[in-house]
Amino acid sequence: QVQLVESGGGLVKPGGSLSLSCAASGFNFSAYYMSWIRQAPGQGLEWLAYISRSGKTILYADSVKGRFTISRDNTKNTLFLEMNSLKADDRALYYCAGTAVTGDWYFDLWGRGTLVTVSS
Amino acid sequence: DIQMTQSPSTLSASVGDRVTITCRASQSIVGWLAWYQQKPGKAPKFLIYEASTLQSGVPSRFSGSGSGTEFTLTISSLQPDDVATYYCQQYNSYPLTFGGGTKVEI
Repeated sequence: QVQLVESGGGLVKPGGSLSLSCAASGFNFSAYYMSWIRQAPGQGLEWLAYISRSGKTILYADSVKGRFTISRDNTKNTLFLEMNSLKADDRALYYCAGTAVTGDWYFDLWGRGTLVTVSS
Repeated sequence: DIQMTQSPSTLSASVGDRVTITCRASQSIVGWLAWYQQKPGKAPKFLIYEASTLQSGVPSRFSGSGSGTEFTLTISSLQPDDVATYYCQQYNSYPLTFGGGTKVEI
């Protein structure tokens, strides 16, 4: 069964850190270009970070640049998002998503999301 | 950054109606546009890419059109299962950006 499963969400204090994981199964993870996307409660979708298949190319949205780090381990079929200096505005459902299509940056495969709450 | 604006934000229609959602880009994105459907409590589902190409398995009542800065998603005959929020996304350039969403109700 093709799936992405996020984990690592939870409650963290402002200024704190959290590490998210996205475990892939049922497909060739190393062939997928991956991103993290978030959705604040009742709001729309916001792209955060992209990583190429090899991990050599990484891009970030300005809203998280310098605070979040995307990485992947193709040997463990896992995508990561290290989040530092968290703010209340970072409260959201975090999705991992990707595509195997080279040169097309849409998302044909999504996880179910993991919830991050930032509150004192 | 390319801004994506969807209209309307909410749409109420009857079963069998033809429904059209508009997505406008702040600059030309050629045809690099995708559409997603998100049902409450679920992850988005990929519907259309390159503005008009239907993803495999998506019902043929869904169609997309447009180029440059103006795009539309059409549901030819609205079904109860189509109740959802629909998002457009440009992938012409980074940062990738989404429209604000259109909630479709019956």
